[in-house]
Amino acid sequence: DSGVTQTPKHLITATGQRVTLRCSPRSGDLSVYWYQQSLDQGLQFLIQYYNGEERAKGNILERFSAQQFPDLHSELNLSSLELGDSALYFCASSVQGLASNEQFFGPGTRLTVL
Amino acid sequence: AQKVTQAQTEISVVEKEDVTLDCVYETRDTTYYLFWYKQPPSGELVFLIRRNSFDEQNEISGRYSWNFQKSTSSFNFTITASQVVDSAVYFCALSEGRGQNFVFGPGTRLSVLP
Repeated sequence: DSGVTQTPKHLITATGQRVTLRCSPRSGDLSVYWYQQSLDQGLQFLIQYYNGEERAKGNILERFSAQQFPDLHSELNLSSLELGDSALYFCASSVQGLASNEQFFGPGTRLTVL
Repeated sequence: AQKVTQAQTEISVVEKEDVTLDCVYETRDTTYYLFWYKQPPSGELVFLIRRNSFDEQNEISGRYSWNFQKSTSSFNFTITASQVVDSAVYFCALSEGRGQNFVFGPGTRLSVLP
């Protein structure tokens, strides 16, 4: 158990809908990362937050947004969902959000868009 | 731009065989960090090792060992006397010194047969 929690575990929704994925980092970790894992794209970095502020952006679509709250939990919002958004979404956390910090991953949220 | 290549898509070995997973990376930075993660069938990502660009010492941890060679931009992972529990997808990842953007390789699926 990495100490990172993600809810929900599974989510099934329809095209055009909007969903919110939630992540709680390990105790003491200030940085949160979001990743998308799909069969065709592999593991793709989406976005990173550090202590409430956005720090780095990867291949995140404009239809997706995220935020990190004062209690350090983070939410990833996916809107106008398409079939291709079906994937496993991971959240990870690290102590300081530095390139040298190892990241600890949550169990993931499996999103299915029908 | 950063890039990580894991040329072996799938490897199958019989228990107790040694196996090496290859990782080749590309970066323009002189300061960078390399990681290996394991994703067992249960789906979570487990951190295995971190290596910084200034430390080319090889590392051994039990049956696992890592060979870092800057001259060939490689960071290979060897499992000695493989076991069925080693069956997983293994990811190599690169993080550059200035950014916090992790880039994962496509992964190598290792199957260890009894």
